[in-house]
Order: sequence, then C-alpha cells, then structure tokens
Amino acid sequence: DSGVTQTPKHLITATGQRVTLRCSPRSGDLSVYWYQQSLDQGLQFLIQYYNGEERAKGNILERFSAQQFPDLHSELNLSSLELGDSALYFCASSGTGQGRETQYFGPGTRLLVL
Amino acid sequence: AQSVAQPEDQVNVAEGNPLTVKCTYSVSGNPYLFWYVQYPNRGLQFLLKYITGDNLVKGSYGFEAEFNKSQTSFHLKKPSALVSDSALYFCAVRDPYNNNDMRFGAGTRLTVKP
Repeated sequence: DSGVTQTPKHLITATGQRVTLRCSPRSGDLSVYWYQQSLDQGLQFLIQYYNGEERAKGNILERFSAQQFPDLHSELNLSSLELGDSALYFCASSGTGQGRETQYFGPGTRLLVL
Repeated sequence: AQSVAQPEDQVNVAEGNPLTVKCTYSVSGNPYLFWYVQYPNRGLQFLLKYITGDNLVKGSYGFEAEFNKSQTSFHLKKPSALVSDSALYFCAVRDPYNNNDMRFGAGTRLTVKP
C-alpha cells in the first residue's frame, strides 16, 4: 500500500458527461501528479500540483482540469467525455527532502465512457 | 527532453531462471532512473531507483538494476524468477533539473512459467 488513495475505483458514464476523480496524497506529500494509462498511449503525464499551485502540464486536454485543495487532496475533472477518454487514471504523490524524486502511485480510477 | 525505451513488449522466463527486463534512456546530464511494477488491476508500485552512487541498485522483492552510463541502460534483473513476479514492468526517467518531468517506457510484460 503506497499511502495514496483514489476514489472512485470504477466509474461508468456516458459520452458528453462530466466526472470528478479524487486523490489523497501520502501524508506530508505536497506534490500530486495525474496520469492517464490507456492501451494505445501507455502512461501519459497530465498535470502536477505542488502545495495548491499548478506546477507542470503534460498532455492534458482542454476538456480536463485539476486542482489541489488546502488539505492537499486533488481532483481531476473530465468534461464532455468521449469514448477515447476511457482509461485508467492514476494519481501519484511525492514529498520534500530526501526521497522527493520518487513518485508513489495510487490504485487508480478505471473510467469507462459508453 | 528525456525519453526511455523498453525494447521488449514481452519477456518469458521459466521459474527459477534469471530474468532481465531491458531499459535504455536518453537524457542530457545525469538521469534519475526508476523501475515500477504493475500487477493486474493495481497501481504502479515503486521497485527501485538510481540517483547517484553505486551502479548496482537493489530494490524490493529481490530485484536489482544496473546503471550503465556508457550504454545508457538501466536493466532490471532478478537471479531467480518466481511465478508471482509475472506483471507489467515500467522503466522511467526523470530529468534532475526538471523535477516535474518523468517519462515512462511503454512497459514490458513479464511472464514467469512454472
């Protein structure tokens, strides 16, 4: 168990809908990262937050957005969903100080868009 | 920008035999290198990392990896494979001067047969 939690585990929705994925980082970790894992594109970095501020953006679509709250949990919002958005969405966190280069992953949220 | 390649989609070994999962990288400067393992329907689990120091890095579950700067490789090894090692293995590289940018390989599926 990495200490990173994600909810929900599974999500089934329809095209055009909006969903919110939630992530709680390991205790004390200030950085949260979101990744998308699909069969055809592998593991893709979406976005990173550090202590509430956006730190880096990867291959994140404009229909997707995220935020990190004062208690350091993060939410990934996916809107106007398309069939191709079906994937596993992972959250990871990393700390400060020694070992900060290592990201620890949550169990993921499996999204199915029908 | 850094990149990482896992040249084999699939590796098959017999239980008790040594295993190697290959990874090569491209990064300017000295890289941070990681191995993660993903079991079915689970998140990525951190196995080991190379930051600096001894080129042979030991990690969880008896795995080790050797950093080879001249060959820009970071192959994952285990002296004696177990059936329970069967999983998807990801190599990742991080630019130490860009804390936010971690690139993953496409993954190698390891199957250990009894």
